[in-house]
Amino acid sequence: NAGVTQTPKFRVLKTGQSMTLLCAQDMNHEYMYWYRQDPGMGLRLIHYSVGEGTTAKGEVPDGYNVSRLKKQNFLLGLESAAPSQTSVYFCASSEQDFPLPYFGAGTRLSVL
Amino acid sequence: LAKTTQPISMDSYEGQEVNITCSHNNIATNDYITWYQQFPSQGPRFIIQGYKTKVTNEVASLFIPADRKSSTLSLPRVSLSDTAVYYCLVGARVQLIFGTGTRLQVFP
Repeated sequence: NAGVTQTPKFRVLKTGQSMTLLCAQDMNHEYMYWYRQDPGMGLRLIHYSVGEGTTAKGEVPDGYNVSRLKKQNFLLGLESAAPSQTSVYFCASSEQDFPLPYFGAGTRLSVL
Repeated sequence: LAKTTQPISMDSYEGQEVNITCSHNNIATNDYITWYQQFPSQGPRFIIQGYKTKVTNEVASLFIPADRKSSTLSLPRVSLSDTAVYYCLVGARVQLIFGTGTRLQVFP
C-alpha cells in the first residue's frame, strides 16, 4: 500500500516551459488536493477535486490547471512556468465523509 | 473559512510536556479541529482531530473548551524527534486551510 505517490520528486524548469505533476493514490479516496508550500510558510491550496471528473479552485489557482480523469489520479499542470511558481508541491487525498488529507512526499520544483 | 492563530515558535527540552495553543474565534458549528505535524522535506502527517472536550491518542491529547474558540495540542514527554512544525486546522469540508504553523524545537 503506497498511499499517495507524487511524480517527479524534483524538477527544474526554465521560464515559459510547461510540465505536469502526477499524483496517484491507492486508497480509493474521493477527494484529492494540490497544495504548494513556499519557504517558511504553511501550505496553500491550489486546486482540489471531490470526485472523478470534477475540479475546483482553492486559494491560489492562478497559473495552474488540473484534471481528474481517473479517481486515483490528480494531475497538476503548469502551462507557462514562472519563477514565482518555484515551490514544493504536495498532493493529498482524503475520504469523502471525513476529510483528513493524507499527503504525499512532495515535488520540489525550481523555475529559473 | 475559519482562520487560526498559533505561536510562531516554541522551545522545549526532552522529557517535558509541550502545549501548543491555537485560536480560532470564528469556528463554525460543523468545523472540526485537526492538527498536523510536518518534518523538513516531508508532507504533513495527521496527529489528532477533535470536535469538543478532550481527545487522546497514542501520540497526543487535544483539549477543546466549551466555546471551541481555541484548542490546545499537548505532547507528553517530548523527544528530539518531535522537533517539527505543527499546524492547527479548522474546517468541516474540503478546503482545509493551513496557517504558518508552530515551529517546535526540542533540545537535549
